[in-house]
Amino acid sequence: DAGVIQSPRHEVTEMGQEVTLRCKPISGHNSLFWYRQTMMRGLELLIYFNNNVPIDDSGMPEDRFSAKMPNASFSTLKIQPSEPRDSAVYFCASSSGSGGLTGELFFGEGSRLTVL
Amino acid sequence: KQEVTQIPAALSVPEGENLVLNCSFTDSAIYNLQWFRQDPGKGLTSLLLIQSSQREQTSGRLNASLDKSSGRSTLYIAASQPGDSATYLCAVGFHNTDKLIFGTGTRLQVFP
Repeated sequence: DAGVIQSPRHEVTEMGQEVTLRCKPISGHNSLFWYRQTMMRGLELLIYFNNNVPIDDSGMPEDRFSAKMPNASFSTLKIQPSEPRDSAVYFCASSSGSGGLTGELFFGEGSRLTVL
Repeated sequence: KQEVTQIPAALSVPEGENLVLNCSFTDSAIYNLQWFRQDPGKGLTSLLLIQSSQREQTSGRLNASLDKSSGRSTLYIAASQPGDSATYLCAVGFHNTDKLIFGTGTRLQVFP
């Protein structure tokens, strides 16, 4: 299996622009997670889906952030409009645990976002 | 508040040493605990997953233990090698919040 696939690996954009990050989970995994990693705050869970349904989005920092999972093999995280403080590495992860947290978690390589 | 703490934050050891990384958590009601490795500029790689009913897991030179009652887990690395240099993170799945909470990691450097 190719593992969790994220794109783009790097994104540099200007403040106010829309950013879309993409994720393809491991085939057969039914839970998908979006994390953000910064030096100051470490790894933070933004949102997670189970069977394509958003279960907990309490980590989404504000309304500028949105996430979708239209099918079992694709998810997007969108930031509109982007701000410099959104600069971070965004990770997607998937697992096959029945409750989302009971299975081993596999991470993608991350999308490094820089907002100027 | 459920928190996960890792000590030490950084560790530098000579090649060949056996070492222990620590992870502590504030709530014993957990699903599982997972140890990850992260190399610079890379994603997280799963090392070991311990379910709440288990006491330890082993993979090669790595051994992770879990003591829920004391809220602690340790990752033991035997005969360390320069290739073990990375940041090691533990993550705990808590029942009450249904979330996986990460520690801030231990940055390990093994020098020849």
